[in-house]
Amino acid sequence: ETGVTQTPRHLVMGMTNKKSLKCEQHLGHNAMYWYKQSAKKPLELMFVYSLEERVENNSVPSRFSPECPNSSHLFLHLHTLQPEDSALYLCASSQDPTGGSDEQYFGPGTRLTVT
Amino acid sequence: GENVEQHPSTLSVQEGDSAVIKCTYSDSASNYFPWYKQELGKRPQLIIDIRSNVGEKKDQRIAVTLNKTAKHFSLHITETQPEDSAVYFCAASISSGYSTLTFGKGTMLLVSP
Repeated sequence: ETGVTQTPRHLVMGMTNKKSLKCEQHLGHNAMYWYKQSAKKPLELMFVYSLEERVENNSVPSRFSPECPNSSHLFLHLHTLQPEDSALYLCASSQDPTGGSDEQYFGPGTRLTVT
Repeated sequence: GENVEQHPSTLSVQEGDSAVIKCTYSDSASNYFPWYKQELGKRPQLIIDIRSNVGEKKDQRIAVTLNKTAKHFSLHITETQPEDSAVYFCAASISSGYSTLTFGKGTMLLVSP
């Protein structure tokens, strides 16, 4: 499956570290999303980029900083995280529904552990 | 904002039985309702979706129904098979160039042979 890729797949970091998660989509979509998936909680939308502009920020702490340099790439920069930030971080992309489907295609996720 | 409730949280059925998962939403402006399946250790994948201008949609063994008045929608799986075992998520959104999905908490479906 190569539609939406994420790196790294696993990441362990200390609370003082700085790291970045990368997402790349090869589907020609123009909207990209970051989700957090924790155990026993719903998928939580963190950020939405449409046409490379951030359009949604669901009250996410500033220790998470997204970046969308172009329509194919999305980053999530992490710094001074807390243990409760440990989760699976999923990236997704979709096409503008006016020209296609609402379907969001997910990447495989990055399993993040904060120690 | 939108709130999506999903029930049950776990569902065990015998192979060949039917399974029904129900969701309610709060925002009457929501007009797009997808269902995603997530197998263990894998990414969520869309299995079926419905828009607010239809009441039912079917795709082989899977069907979704929508009641806009009551603000609830359901997933029906008939003739379940062990490979249907997974976590199923419902979601709701207002479709407008991009879709900000609000997900339910998920239902773990276990189909026993």
